[in-house]
Parts: sequence; C-alpha cells; structure tokens
Amino acid sequence: DARVTQTPRHKVTEMGQEVTMRCQPILGHNTVFWYRQTMMQGLELLAYFRNRAPLDDSGMPKDRFSAEMPDATLATLKIQPSEPRDSAVYFCASGLGVTQETQYFGPGTRLLVL
Amino acid sequence: GENVEQHPSTLSVQEGDSAVIKCTYSDSASNYFPWYKQELGKRPQLIIDIRSNVGEKKDQRIAVTLNKTAKHFSLHITETQPEDSAVYFCAATPFTGTASKLTFGTGTRLQVTL
Repeated sequence: DARVTQTPRHKVTEMGQEVTMRCQPILGHNTVFWYRQTMMQGLELLAYFRNRAPLDDSGMPKDRFSAEMPDATLATLKIQPSEPRDSAVYFCASGLGVTQETQYFGPGTRLLVL
Repeated sequence: GENVEQHPSTLSVQEGDSAVIKCTYSDSASNYFPWYKQELGKRPQLIIDIRSNVGEKKDQRIAVTLNKTAKHFSLHITETQPEDSAVYFCAATPFTGTASKLTFGTGTRLQVTL
C-alpha cells in the first residue's frame, strides 16, 4: 500500500529559526502539492509541481517560504525565518497528474513556532 | 479562480440517521469533485469522487450527487456510525490533463452520537 511520507511529523522551533519539511511522493507520481492547514484558514494550497517543475506557488509567502524538488523522490518546503503565525499542519500530497486527478495526502508535519 | 462553499460547518446526527453535506462551486469548467474525510490528527483521505460526466455515484453507505446546471454537489451518508465522525471536505477542479489544482471547501465537522 504505497503512501506519501513526510518528515518530521512534529517540529517545535523558536521564532527566527529555519524549518525544513520533507516529502516523499508515491513512486511514479509526477505531481506534488504542498498545503497548509489551520483552524482559521482551512486547507490552503501553497505550491505545486509537475515533473519537478514548479507550476504555481502563488499561495506561498515568497519572502520566507521556498519549495523545491531536488529529485523525483523528494520535495522540500522551507521557512526562513519562521514566525509564530506559521504554526500549522503542513501536508504534502502527490498524484499521477496527467493521467489521473486524484491527490493522496501524506500524514503531515505539525509545526509550532514559539 | 474557483471558489467552493460548503455547508453546514457542523452537523450532528444520531447513529443510524442520514447525513447530507452540500457544496457549491463557481467555475463552470470544474469537472472533478472529490470528497475527503479527515479524522482528528490524521491526513485527509479520499472517500469518493465524481466526474462531471455522471450525476450520481454510490459506494456502499456513501453517495455523491452532482448538479452541473446549479453548480452544486452533495455527499450523502446513510446509516451513520460513530466511526463516520470526522471532518469532511469537498473540493473541485477543472482538470485538463495537467496537474489539477484542487480548491477545497471549509469543511464540515460531522458528529455521530449514540
């Protein structure tokens, strides 16, 4: 049963520190999505990639957030410097893209910035 | 862009009763409508989806209906059980054969009481 994996599952850090979250999409999936979930804003799309190329990162605060796919098996989301308002659960999802529109979510990284 | 509205935000039903959650969308080009279930502290999981070429789809106790003219779709859960208690999200996207950017509703917290 292939699943999207994310690390770390939990992260507590202090304001101003760099945070890096990692995602391993399901093998063979060519689209990767980063979402942020908060009680107030629900599920927000931050950025997404197809075949490792960024397609849309308009949902991401560009001054502090960056998303990359160094290779087909790894996607990263970085926050530098982190702020308390970044506290949320960050989900990665992957999909087959061209042939199928379904997205499969990872377990999420629960981030707390103090 | 797409805008998805979801109602109600909370829903409480007695075990064995039916539950209905409704969503409306704004983009007439949207053609794929998934529903995700998220249990507390867990990842969103796809439970059912429907494409614009059909009006209804059923899978055991859950069903989804789509009215393209009115641009709304609904999730129906019959014979509810305590394990159905969760937050349910609807979503919509105009999938065109490239990466599908899902727009999510704000979620419905379903509570099934004994």
